[in-house]
Amino acid sequence: SQQGEEDPQALSIQEGENATMNCSYKTSINNLQWYRQNSGRGLVHLILIRSNEREKHSGRLRVTLDTSKKSSSLLITASRAADTASYFCATADSGTYKYIFGTGTRLKVLA
Amino acid sequence: GAVVSQHPSRVICKSGTSVKIECRSLDFQATTMFWYRQFPKKSLMLMATSNEGSKATYEQGVEKDKFLINHASLTLSTLTVTSAHPEDSSFYICSASGGGATETQYFGPGTRLLVL
Repeated sequence: SQQGEEDPQALSIQEGENATMNCSYKTSINNLQWYRQNSGRGLVHLILIRSNEREKHSGRLRVTLDTSKKSSSLLITASRAADTASYFCATADSGTYKYIFGTGTRLKVLA
Repeated sequence: GAVVSQHPSRVICKSGTSVKIECRSLDFQATTMFWYRQFPKKSLMLMATSNEGSKATYEQGVEKDKFLINHASLTLSTLTVTSAHPEDSSFYICSASGGGATETQYFGPGTRLLVL
């Protein structure tokens, strides 16, 4: 498959809880990025983590990268109803410049 | 910064007609632009990559005569869906990159195409 896998495919949590999404990929990468997409909209860039980095923070977001396991996780702390969206990881293949998107996690935060 | 626009945001057309979608980088020069297609509740599938002033590179399985891509300037790329059919109905998203090949891509808001 060209795409990476994300799990869970869907996640429903209460406001204030933390949400964790995982992404696995198959090729060697230069970097991995997380994007958010509201229903029927374009993608919003959240965070980029390079292959030589292991963890990165941005506000309520925390991203980890384990290149030995070819996996990454996105943690959203203290979730809000406005965080309801689909979240995708995208890897930049080290052999090409193309992004390969994961299958996405649909997050629903209940108020 | 790094704003990418798409026009139109939605288009409905009759089967057999051609539809042009524009992708513009508003505040930076995009040396590379990408076109993706997304089916409902699915991920993005890369269709083609275009570099300013050169021919687009299409992904396997994407018909280049069906999906014409032009990247005439550093701020504009167009995707033309020729002789559209109902199965071409989809959400088309472009992205633009201004730096090196693996730098962040900035995405447009998408164009929803419905072919009747």
